[in-house]
Amino acid sequence: NAGVTQTPKFRVLKTGQSMTLLCAQDMNHEYMYWYRQDPGMGLRLIHYSVGEGTTAKGEVPDGYNVSRLKKQNFLLGLESAAPSQTSVYFCASSHPGHFLEQYFGPGTRLTVT
Amino acid sequence: GQQVMQIPQYQHVQEGEDFTTYCNSSTTLSNIQWYKQRPGGHPVFLIQLVKSGEVKKQKRLTFQFGEAKKNSSLHITATQTTDVGTYFCAGTAGDRGSTLGRLYFGRGTQLTVWP
Repeated sequence: NAGVTQTPKFRVLKTGQSMTLLCAQDMNHEYMYWYRQDPGMGLRLIHYSVGEGTTAKGEVPDGYNVSRLKKQNFLLGLESAAPSQTSVYFCASSHPGHFLEQYFGPGTRLTVT
Repeated sequence: GQQVMQIPQYQHVQEGEDFTTYCNSSTTLSNIQWYKQRPGGHPVFLIQLVKSGEVKKQKRLTFQFGEAKKNSSLHITATQTTDVGTYFCAGTAGDRGSTLGRLYFGRGTQLTVWP
C-alpha cells in the first residue's frame, strides 16, 4: 500500500495563478483533511471531508476550495494564489470511529512569488 | 472555539537529558493523540490516550492524560539524537468532534538534541 500520496511535491506560483493539489489514499478511509504548516504555527486545518461528496471548512479556509468526488481523492484548489499562501501543505486521512489516527502524506511545498 | 496549547515551543537538550512537552486544552477532550515530525518529514502517529488519568509507555517515552481530560504530557527519558523532531499533541473535542474526525493540533514542541 502506498498510503497517502500527494502531487506535486514542490511548486512555485506567481501571484494570481491557480493550481490544484491532489491527495490520494489507498486505505479506504472515509475522512480526509488538508492542513497547512507554517513555522511556529503548527498544523492548521484548511478543509476536511467526512465522506465522498461532502466537505467542510476548517480553521483557515479562505482562499482555498476543495472537492471530494471520489472516496480515495481529495483535491485542494487555489483560485488566485497569494504570497500568504506560501506554505507546506499536508494531506491526511483517517477511518471513522473511536480510533482516529491520521495518516499524513509527504507534503507539498508551495511558494508564491 | 476549541484550542489546544502546547509548551514549550522549543527545547534544546544534551543527549542523555530528559525532555517533557505539555499540552493543555480549553475544553474537555474525548481523546488525545501525539505525533512526531522529523525535520523535513511529515507527522507520524505515536499514540492515543482515551481514559482519564491514563498513562502509556513506549520504551523511553511516557504519555499521560490528565484526570480532567484537559491536559496531557509527553516525557522522554535519556534523550537520544534520534529523538530530534517536533512533537505535536492533537485532541478530539468531547462533544461532536469524535464523530467528525477532526483533530485540534497544538503548535508543537521542537526538540533539538546535542550529542
